[in-house]
Amino acid sequence: GAVVSQHPSRVICKSGTSVKIECRSLDFQATTMFWYRQFPKQSLMLMATSNEGSKATYEQGVEKDKFLINHASLTLSTLTVTSAHPEDSSFYICSARPISGPYNEQFFGPGTRLTVL
Amino acid sequence: QKEVEQNSGPLSVPEGAIASLNCTYSDRGSQSFFWYRQYSGKSPELIMSIYSNGDKEDGRFTAQLNKASQYVSLLIRDSQPSDSATYLCAVASNYGGSQGNLIFGKGTKLSVKP
Repeated sequence: GAVVSQHPSRVICKSGTSVKIECRSLDFQATTMFWYRQFPKQSLMLMATSNEGSKATYEQGVEKDKFLINHASLTLSTLTVTSAHPEDSSFYICSARPISGPYNEQFFGPGTRLTVL
Repeated sequence: QKEVEQNSGPLSVPEGAIASLNCTYSDRGSQSFFWYRQYSGKSPELIMSIYSNGDKEDGRFTAQLNKASQYVSLLIRDSQPSDSATYLCAVASNYGGSQGNLIFGKGTKLSVKP
């Protein structure tokens, strides 16, 4: 149980293009989904928190117009990196918090490695 | 600023030994505590959650919580080379708009030598 998928697992794109990453909770419904970024040998950095049907809450310093988040249902959230640049290259990881079950547990997807050329 | 502190390591233990990982947190009101394991190049995997003072055991893993001292630990018994990973301590925020969000430590890198 508590499986989260992400697609794609790896993407390489040219500078200036947009990339969409999907995050799905496969066997549970999630009240809240989270998006993190992790640079090599660094710790997880929370980018934004999204709740189904409402606007995402972005952490300080994260550009909401650049990182568009849509939480369309209780099992799906998407992150779109708009006009990507090489400095956006990173490991993007989503997590989901189940509606029911132990309080505040988050389950992570396998991550998406983005490389912007 | 709510913080979670971990020794970055690396912590090196021989195979079969007990590995002890420690974590302190600053938010006295926190109620939920987690340990995640992250292999190099992979995403974090939840291995233990603990909510009450004392010990919680699951297989070779034991989580220990002391809210008075604001201290959480993870013991790994009979350590195996496959346990070599970075272990992240996470504490649920009890603070305002980010209530329930996890605050992660920077992780302790564990190396288990055969």
